[in-house]
Amino acid sequence: DAGVTQSPTHLIKTRGQQVTLRCSPKSGHDTVSWYQQALGQGPQFIFQYYEEEERQRGNFPDRFSGHQFPNYSSELNVNALLLGDSALYLCASSLLWSDQDTQYFGPGTRLTVL
Amino acid sequence: AQKITQTQPGMFVQEKEAVTLDCTYDTSDQSYGLFWYKQPSSGEMIFLIYQGSYDEQNATEGRYSLNFQKARKSANLVISASQLGDSAMYFCAMRVRGGSEKLVFGKGTKLTVNP
Repeated sequence: DAGVTQSPTHLIKTRGQQVTLRCSPKSGHDTVSWYQQALGQGPQFIFQYYEEEERQRGNFPDRFSGHQFPNYSSELNVNALLLGDSALYLCASSLLWSDQDTQYFGPGTRLTVL
Repeated sequence: AQKITQTQPGMFVQEKEAVTLDCTYDTSDQSYGLFWYKQPSSGEMIFLIYQGSYDEQNATEGRYSLNFQKARKSANLVISASQLGDSAMYFCAMRVRGGSEKLVFGKGTKLTVNP
C-alpha cells in the first residue's frame, strides 16, 4: 500500500521565480492538504483540496495556489518567490468523510529560495 | 480559534525508560480530534496516535499512549520503553470536527534518547 509521495525532494530557486510541487495521496484517500513548515516551527496549513476544489484556505497570500486532479493527486504552485518562502512543504492526504480522518503526510519538499 | 501549546522545547530520556511529552489545547468546540506526530530529521511527519474528544478510553498504540484529561484540556503523549530510534521531534495537533478541516500544530518537543 503506497503512502503519500511528493516530488521533488529538494528544490533551489531564486527570488521572483515560480515553483510547482507535486503530491500523490495514499491509496484510497480523496483529500489533499498542504502545509508549510518553517525551520523550528510546527506546520502551518496552506489549503485543502477535495473533489478538485479548494475546500479551505489558511492565512497565505494569493501567490500560493493549487490544483487537484481527477486521480486525487495535487500540485502546489508558488509565484514570485520570496526568501521567506524557504521551508519544508508537506502534503497530507485523508479520507474526508471517515470517522477519524487522520491526515497522513508525505516526506516533504524542502524549498530553498536564494 | 484553536491553539496547541507544547511547553517542553527539549526532553531527554534514558533508553528503556518511559517519557511523557506535554500538550495542552484550547478550543471552544465540543467535537474535536487530537493527534500526535513524530518527525525524524528526514522531515516526514509520522502519525502515532489519535484521540477523539468523545472517546472515554485513553488511546493506545503499541508503546504509545495518550493521557487525555478533557477537563484540563491536556493530551500528553507517553512513550514506554524508549528506544534510540525514538529520538525525533514530536508534534501535538488538533482538528475540530465538522468545521475547519485543518490541523493546528504546536511548536513541537525535541526528544533525545540516551543509551
